[in-house]
Amino acid sequence: DIVMTQTPLSSPVTVGQPASISCRSSQSLVHSDGNTYLSWLHQRPGQPPRLLIYKISNRFSGVPDRFNGSGAGTDFTLKINRVEAEDVGFYYCMQGTQLPWTFGQGTKVEIK
Amino acid sequence: EVLVVESGGTLVQPGGSLRLSCAVSGFTVTNNFMSWVRQAPGKGLEWVSMIYSGGNTYYQDSVKGRFTMSRDNSKNTVYLQMNSLRAEDTAIYYCVRHFYDRSGHGNRAFDIWGQGTMVTLSS
Repeated sequence: DIVMTQTPLSSPVTVGQPASISCRSSQSLVHSDGNTYLSWLHQRPGQPPRLLIYKISNRFSGVPDRFNGSGAGTDFTLKINRVEAEDVGFYYCMQGTQLPWTFGQGTKVEIK
Repeated sequence: EVLVVESGGTLVQPGGSLRLSCAVSGFTVTNNFMSWVRQAPGKGLEWVSMIYSGGNTYYQDSVKGRFTMSRDNSKNTVYLQMNSLRAEDTAIYYCVRHFYDRSGHGNRAFDIWGQGTMVTLSS
C-alpha cells in the first residue's frame, strides 16, 4: 500500500497569515496514464470532508482561490494564502493512483 | 440537487452483521463510481470499498471476505453488507461519489460525501 505522510500534524495560524501543509507518498503517484491522482480534502468539526483540490493543483468547483496545490512525484503541498476563520479543521491528502486508495493522517489547522 | 444519504448504522455485537444503505439523488448510481470511506472515532479517513459503473467491486484488505458492496439500480441505492464485524470496524461510514469532470474524465477523487452513518461494535 502507498503510505501518505503529512506534516505538520498541527498548524496554529493567525487569521490573514499563510499556512502550508506537506504530503509525501511512499512511492511515485504518477499513474500509467500520465496523471498524478493526488487530492486534498478539508473536514470541519462534525462535518464530512469536502473536496478542495484534485490532480495536484486543480481547484474543485466553489473552492476559494486562496487554496493552492502543487508538487510532483512523491512530494506535494497545500498552501492557504491568507487563512480565514472558516478554514479551521483537518486537512487530508489522498492518493487515487493505486488501490487501495490511501489518505494522509490529517493536519489540524487552528486559529491562534 | 445532488445528495447522498446513508442509513443503517447502529450498535452491533462483535461477530454480527449489518447492512448499510446509501440512497442517492440528483445522479444515478449506474453511471457513477461509488465508494465507502470510514472514519474511526477521533481518527483519520480510510477507504473501504468501491463499485465501478460496470459493477466491479474492490475492497480494502482488512474487510475483504467480510464486506460486500452492491447496488440496486431501480432504487438508486448502494449498499455495504458487513459480516463478521470486529471492534476495529467501529467508525462513521461515509458513502461517496467519485468525481468525473465535465469532459467525462475520472479524477480519482471524491466530490460528493454523505453525512455518514455510525457503526459501533460493542458487546
